[in-house]
Amino acid sequence: EVQLVESGGTLVQPGGSLRLACAASGFTVSSKNMNWVRQAPGKGLEWVSVIYTGGSTYYADSVKGRFTISRDTSKNTLYLQMNSLRGEDTAVYYCARDSGDWPSFDYWGQGTLLTVSS
Amino acid sequence: DIQMTQSPSSLSASVGDSLTITCRASQSISNYLNWYQQKPGKAPKLLIFGASNLQGGVPSRFSGRGYGTDFTLTITNLQPEDFAAYYCQQNHLIPFTFGQGTKLEIK
Repeated sequence: EVQLVESGGTLVQPGGSLRLACAASGFTVSSKNMNWVRQAPGKGLEWVSVIYTGGSTYYADSVKGRFTISRDTSKNTLYLQMNSLRGEDTAVYYCARDSGDWPSFDYWGQGTLLTVSS
Repeated sequence: DIQMTQSPSSLSASVGDSLTITCRASQSISNYLNWYQQKPGKAPKLLIFGASNLQGGVPSRFSGRGYGTDFTLTITNLQPEDFAAYYCQQNHLIPFTFGQGTKLEIK
């Protein structure tokens, strides 16, 4: 059974850093394109980043240069390193798996809440 | 970036009703259009991929159509569990943008 479990969300001060993790089971993270999607409180969904099976990475303009997506195949875990955090980064962060058959996010984690505030 | 515009932003309906949500892309995305359902406090769930293909396990009362820039999600015979938020998303070009969402409420 495919499962994605995020962790790491917490309260961070503006300018701070944090790393989110997404532990996968039922498949290997390196075999699928993996994404981070966020949702600010009461708002819609915003795509954040993708890491392709080949290792290429892409980011939304809002996080480019501040966030880094990566994966650890030995731990079967996806990461999102977030630096220079801002209040507008406050959101629930979801990891989402691309199905591979057609570009779409077929499995999602339960989400982890990041709050950026002083 | 490709902008995705959904309408309406919210609507009220009753159990048994049928309704259609529309999603328009700012440029052609072929059929790289997906629909997700999200219930409060939960992660989104994939309903339809490739504009018209039902994800496994999704009831057949959900259907999608469209190509290019204009897309629709239709729900027939609304059930209590269908009252949720719905999002379209394009996976044609990075960034993979979502529509702003449509909140479906019980009348």
